[in-house]
Amino acid sequence: QQPVQSPQAVILREGEDAVINCSSSKALYSVHWYRQKHGEAPVFLMILLKGGEQKGHDKISASFNEKKQQSSLYLTASQLSYSGTYFCGTTGGGGADGLTFGKGTHLIIQP
Amino acid sequence: SQTIHQWPATLVQPVGSPLSLECTVEGTSNPNLYWYRQAAGRGLQLLFYSVGIGQISSEVPQNLSASRPQDRQFILSSKKLLLSDSGFYLCARGGTGEQYFGPGTRLTVT
Repeated sequence: QQPVQSPQAVILREGEDAVINCSSSKALYSVHWYRQKHGEAPVFLMILLKGGEQKGHDKISASFNEKKQQSSLYLTASQLSYSGTYFCGTTGGGGADGLTFGKGTHLIIQP
Repeated sequence: SQTIHQWPATLVQPVGSPLSLECTVEGTSNPNLYWYRQAAGRGLQLLFYSVGIGQISSEVPQNLSASRPQDRQFILSSKKLLLSDSGFYLCARGGTGEQYFGPGTRLTVT
């Protein structure tokens, strides 16, 4: 089942903070976050695994609440380059399963 | 470094024509490989994944098929394209849990 992302869109001024949420109705093993710029492929930001392990970019932070099946991506002191569409992808198991993606959150950073 | 190549970058094909999209990976052996499709303005949908040569798992029944003839090669095919096959086709490779996308092929079916 497709995870639900909120909000659908956010407009920020440069330097402001944003939180993007991803929730699922089923148990999750992992949550993956990507950013996609218009016309380009999604770029990996972070993976959060059941049990607490995380891997990703130093300037990106995220949380994963396994009990609530929710994850949040925190963008602090936003820069113009943060603009794009953010997708969360989830897996229910730890094998080679592909990702089930949410519909995305559009983030616009204004100067 | 581990690089994903996709060919061609863009493609315009008439309805009913065949399709072959290629994905090749460098710098790693026996990777998990994935095909996703993104319709215009939409999210990404998993189509196929493969854990090794000749091993294909299909997620969505449709007129597309996938093959993995070599360790680092993943091919997406169709015998007859539909208008609804238009979209951005992305190949991804699995890392230690995470997945990385190739540059994609933008397909327009006319």
